[in-house]
Amino acid sequence: GESVGLHLPTLSVQEGDNSIINCAYSNSASDYFIWYKQESGKGPQFIIDIRSNMDKRQGQRVTVLLNKTVKHLSLQIAATQPGDSAVYFCAENHDQTGANNLFFGTGTRLTVIP
Amino acid sequence: DAGVIQSPRHEVTEMGQEVTLRCKPISGHDYLFWYRQTMMRGLELLIYFNNNVPIDDSGMPEDRFSAKMPNASFSTLKIQPSEPRDSAVYFCASSPRGTEETQYFGPGTRLLVL
Repeated sequence: GESVGLHLPTLSVQEGDNSIINCAYSNSASDYFIWYKQESGKGPQFIIDIRSNMDKRQGQRVTVLLNKTVKHLSLQIAATQPGDSAVYFCAENHDQTGANNLFFGTGTRLTVIP
Repeated sequence: DAGVIQSPRHEVTEMGQEVTLRCKPISGHDYLFWYRQTMMRGLELLIYFNNNVPIDDSGMPEDRFSAKMPNASFSTLKIQPSEPRDSAVYFCASSPRGTEETQYFGPGTRLLVL
């Protein structure tokens, strides 16, 4: 039969433009969220995190926005550079099996066009 | 610090063989996580340890998978017997204080079971 894999959403942006990557999370009890960046052939790398008592957090060139009402998380990258090309994952932390676990989304592939 | 160290980086084996993946977490981190990443299912948590004790192994696929952490600086993930559907990239990650903190990922072990 035909194999079915994850179809990653993709985002292509011009170098220098701002990027916005969106993530819908599933559990209203989630209290901690992280964005990871994964380059080809490497492990996920921490970018920025946010706790549920905040709605915005800024880092260097990155901003995470949290909207708990609609369970939505976004990552904004300012002045996107070719080195930002990667797959970006959001992850949410909640208790599902009696222990706190981190659950990852399927990811978004960002391609920066020079 | 060298970061999370995993070995081997690549493993090719035949169906039915035993496979052992190794991980050295970042010194001082109390939590260690094993993940599996495939195109079909994305990034999945298999098991995690706190102070060398398994906390949640609900993500372990079946009895063919086992994980140990004999001391604070070493963990293994074993598959016996291996099957072609076990082919994936296996990541180890460590964290200072648990799932509500940043996890630092190793480079992964790319496993191919023929």
